[in-house]
Amino acid sequence: NAGVTQTPKFQVLKTGQSMTLQCAQDMNHEYMSWYRQDPGMGLRLIHYSVGAGITDQGEVPNGYNVSRSTTEDFPLRLLSAAPSQTSVYFCASSLRFGGNGYTFGSGTRLTVV
Amino acid sequence: EDQVTQSPEALRLQEGESSSLNCSYTVSGLRGLFWYRQDPGKGPEFLFTLYSAGEEKEKERLKATLTKKESFLHITAPKPEDSATYLCACSNDYKLSFGAGTTVTVRA
Repeated sequence: NAGVTQTPKFQVLKTGQSMTLQCAQDMNHEYMSWYRQDPGMGLRLIHYSVGAGITDQGEVPNGYNVSRSTTEDFPLRLLSAAPSQTSVYFCASSLRFGGNGYTFGSGTRLTVV
Repeated sequence: EDQVTQSPEALRLQEGESSSLNCSYTVSGLRGLFWYRQDPGKGPEFLFTLYSAGEEKEKERLKATLTKKESFLHITAPKPEDSATYLCACSNDYKLSFGAGTTVTVRA
């Protein structure tokens, strides 16, 4: 099993550009989520999904879109990148929400210049 | 508003010197409290879930405990390979709220 796979690992964007961060899991997990991690602030929830076709906003959703057309994939789209979106992004999944721990991907380090 | 606060921010230990990390929380409708380990450049790795006050979980040199207001992660006789950032998170509804973490450095 590959677990949770995130691509790319590193990305540099110019202000105003758009891009999609990919997340895929092969564990048949219902619940998937996106977090951003900034120094001194902990992980903050951006968006989450409890199953294919169902998504909802987390704590810091502005500037990001998500969709969940399959159980396996949960891409995160940056609509118009801003320097404030410079961060490390993690995708996480679990069999169901509140289950015995989440599996995290290895992260995408994004820099917006 | 849900809050999860971890202390200390950083902890430097000598190998074999036991210590504890604290996670205090104010979360309405707590469903579970999680501990994760994060190594530099990697995603968090699940350690424990605690569901009710009085519960304890152990894994090698780590032991997690839970009260109604806080959780402790005890590290007994740490080794250099225990060096990492330890994250605490609380769940309610469909959200995990994370603390900022405690970075533990264990010197040989």
